[in-house]
Amino acid sequence: AQSVAQPEDQVNVAEGNPLTVKCTYSVSGNPYLFWYVQYPNRGLQFLLKYITGDNLVKGSYGFEAEFNKSQTSFHLKKPSALVSDSALYFCARDAGNNRKLIWGLGTSLAVNP
Amino acid sequence: DTGVSQNPRHKITKRGQNVTFRCDPISEHNRLYWYRQTLGQGPEFLTYFQNEAQLEKSRLLSDRFSAERPKGSFSTLEIQRTEQGDSAMYLCASSTGLRTDTQYFGPGTRLTVL
Repeated sequence: AQSVAQPEDQVNVAEGNPLTVKCTYSVSGNPYLFWYVQYPNRGLQFLLKYITGDNLVKGSYGFEAEFNKSQTSFHLKKPSALVSDSALYFCARDAGNNRKLIWGLGTSLAVNP
Repeated sequence: DTGVSQNPRHKITKRGQNVTFRCDPISEHNRLYWYRQTLGQGPEFLTYFQNEAQLEKSRLLSDRFSAERPKGSFSTLEIQRTEQGDSAMYLCASSTGLRTDTQYFGPGTRLTVL
């Protein structure tokens, strides 16, 4: 079955330091992979996606993600974290034909001043 | 504002009551999705529409749940005889329907069943 795993429930990083939020996916076809961010009591905001091509994807708010097929990973990164980046981050993959998204459990990112 | 909108934003109801939520997708988006999210969990797929046709329903969607998109524009999600376990955030998303396209989400409707 198709699945997405986010191995860390929480990530803590100091402001100004680089951040990484990890995501791995089950091997099934050619997945389309997504990152969304969720602020408290808000909906999900799209950050970036990997469809094909360059393995390094750049997205909103200075975030980027690297698609690694051999490690079946799609980690989210940012060179310099901001306190305002503190939120819940979700990795997702499509189930094919854009029928639905399959989600990880989310990683809570806390950026400390 | 041309984003996805959902109403109401919050709903508190007593167990056994019926509730209905509305989602207005981005204009000209053919696909509309409903997801449910509980605390500490990722969203779970409930159902989706291609225009007015409901193409897939999750097993999570019991007989008490029904969704419609009568004219291929807005959609409603109704829960009959609500239970405490229905308490969750109900999220709506829309997309053009191309496989490479992004699903854009509304702010969600938070349901609390007392």
